[in-house]
Amino acid sequence: GENVEQHPSTLSVQEGDSAVIKCTYSDSASNYFPWYKQELGKGPQLIIDIRSNVGEKKDQRIAVTLNKTAKHFSLHITETQPEDSAVYFCAARQIQGAQKLVFGQGTRLTINP
Amino acid sequence: DTAVSQTPKYLVTQMGNDKSIKCEQNLGHDTMYWYKQDSKKFLKIMFSYNNKELIINETVPNRFSPKSPDKAHLNLHINSLELGDSAVYFCASSQDYSRNEQYFGPGTRLTVT
Repeated sequence: GENVEQHPSTLSVQEGDSAVIKCTYSDSASNYFPWYKQELGKGPQLIIDIRSNVGEKKDQRIAVTLNKTAKHFSLHITETQPEDSAVYFCAARQIQGAQKLVFGQGTRLTINP
Repeated sequence: DTAVSQTPKYLVTQMGNDKSIKCEQNLGHDTMYWYKQDSKKFLKIMFSYNNKELIINETVPNRFSPKSPDKAHLNLHINSLELGDSAVYFCASSQDYSRNEQYFGPGTRLTVT
């Protein structure tokens, strides 16, 4: 089945700087890659996603890139703000066998004022 | 209006007890899920129901039994609770089985003493 690795596990950046979180996946058949933001005491919230037929997608300060050949995708946050502090999860949709989202281990992002 | 809601938010109980967590979504979605998030924040799917029919059943102890009385509700009943069941349980929903975007509830923190 699908396996997703996420790095780094923790990331601390100065407010206004950029943050990058990277994920790799194992199953080349996976076709959908969402990113979730989880704030303290809340459920994961979908912030951006990308499908396998697209290489890059941007939504204001957030962008996701996908390299299908290398089987990795990344989340880029520019001009970080204190409210960006949260745990971020990447996921890949496994389509062989049980179709399900397989999550990475999470990255705790801290924005320092 | 809350899209995916869960009750209770916190549940503290003793080993050996039986407890239930309820989930409701008002998005008109056909597919609902239960996820378990452990103390290290790792998110893993447990069950998925599509239109009241079980479609994903991961390797979860049979002490866990999901029940879907209708498309908008997916409850989780846990028998003979064990210390290792302590975790945050999230309900989620998606428009249907083939749609990728999943929306999560706020979570239920279960503590077994």
